[in-house]
Amino acid sequence: DAMVIQNPRYQVTQFGKPVTLSCSQTLNHNVMYWYQQKSSQAPKLLFHYYDKDFNNEADTPDNFQSRRPNTSFCFLDIRSPGLGDAAMYLCATSSLAGDQEQFFGPGTRLTVL
Amino acid sequence: SQQGEEDPQALSIQEGENATMNCSYKTSINNLQWYRQNSGRGLVHLILIRSNEREKHSGRLRVTLDTSKKSSSLLITASRAADTASYFCATENSGGYQKVTFGTGTKLQVIP
Repeated sequence: DAMVIQNPRYQVTQFGKPVTLSCSQTLNHNVMYWYQQKSSQAPKLLFHYYDKDFNNEADTPDNFQSRRPNTSFCFLDIRSPGLGDAAMYLCATSSLAGDQEQFFGPGTRLTVL
Repeated sequence: SQQGEEDPQALSIQEGENATMNCSYKTSINNLQWYRQNSGRGLVHLILIRSNEREKHSGRLRVTLDTSKKSSSLLITASRAADTASYFCATENSGGYQKVTFGTGTKLQVIP
């Protein structure tokens, strides 16, 4: 089945230790998104790619970076995680040819010790 | 600031009852979408309504959109325990180009 996959599902890192979260998709969608969701809050868009065109949200901290080496994969790098970065990180995709709905992965829950 | 504000924040009903959730937003939109999120999981798209539509149905879901009031409602009829989840509205702003902003969400509990 076509889907959005996130690895790992759970990630524990230490304060200040760089961490990379990964997302892959078999949907062949042009657009990929990274969201941060804290407990009982709405998902907050960090950035998105239209193909290789990177679009950063104005309030996304510099600590967060992203890479999209090809259509299928997208990575979220947190250069120096702080305690406030503990959250669920959600990857999503959408197709410009489609109905603008977004398809989400299961998320990676990040714990910062 | 978030585009969508949802009401109520939490809702608890008995199985078989209907559940209504409301979403208000601030600026012009291309479309409004509703998503469901089970605890600790990713979001699942439920339904999309375009700015020129007023009502849409999908199975037990009914969505209305009033662009003059900048509001939408999601009605789930004949609720089931499996409908227990958080529900989010998400708006694609005019000129937003595939980017949506999520509302604050309604946490629905359906009691068997």
